[in-house]
Amino acid sequence: RKEVEQDPGPFNVPEGATVAFNCTYSNSASQSFFWYRQDCRKEPKLLMSVYSSGNEDGRFTAQLNRASQYISLLIRDSKLSDSATYLCVVNNPSNTGKLIFGQGTTLQVKP
Amino acid sequence: DTAVSQTPKYLVTQMGNDKSIKCEQNLGHDTMYWYKQDSKKFLKIMFSYNNKELIINETVPNRFSPKSPDKAHLNLHINSLELGDSAVYFCASSPGQGRPETQYFGPGTRLLVL
Repeated sequence: RKEVEQDPGPFNVPEGATVAFNCTYSNSASQSFFWYRQDCRKEPKLLMSVYSSGNEDGRFTAQLNRASQYISLLIRDSKLSDSATYLCVVNNPSNTGKLIFGQGTTLQVKP
Repeated sequence: DTAVSQTPKYLVTQMGNDKSIKCEQNLGHDTMYWYKQDSKKFLKIMFSYNNKELIINETVPNRFSPKSPDKAHLNLHINSLELGDSAVYFCASSPGQGRPETQYFGPGTRLLVL
């Protein structure tokens, strides 16, 4: 089983749609969770951290379910500029400096 | 005023050659990393240095040798390049160990081995 699993997609949605991505992780001892965004042929950039109580940043909402070892990202009112690959990232509990990246979910927002 | 820079951006070379990729960060960070992103887009850590000291060394062939002359630089030398080494190599930095969310990535070096 992969340490961090995501549906690679692609997810094709119209502008204005709401879209949700899910991610599961295998190590129940992981403590830190993040969503990174990677544009085509660019480097990954931190989108947001994921906190136990869930957190929101504008149109983006992240949720964590520790019992199910599941992380989600919800994007409301999708914009063309949201088109990118979204990487689910979890820290290695035995080495907090080590990040484990999922394969990423590709989102394509169409006009 | 790029935060994390890498050179070269593109590298095309023949099997068996030796090549180096350079990375510099001007953020004053203590920790630097090398990642490999393969054709299936998986991003995997290879090495990490904290204040010039190696702290993460994943299962990477010993043809790959990182070198950190100072905490602002982390270079990657690859000997006897193989076809499977073709990938995008990202350098990253963070303020220190234990704060993984603040990793800043360089633009990547696209390596193609022919």
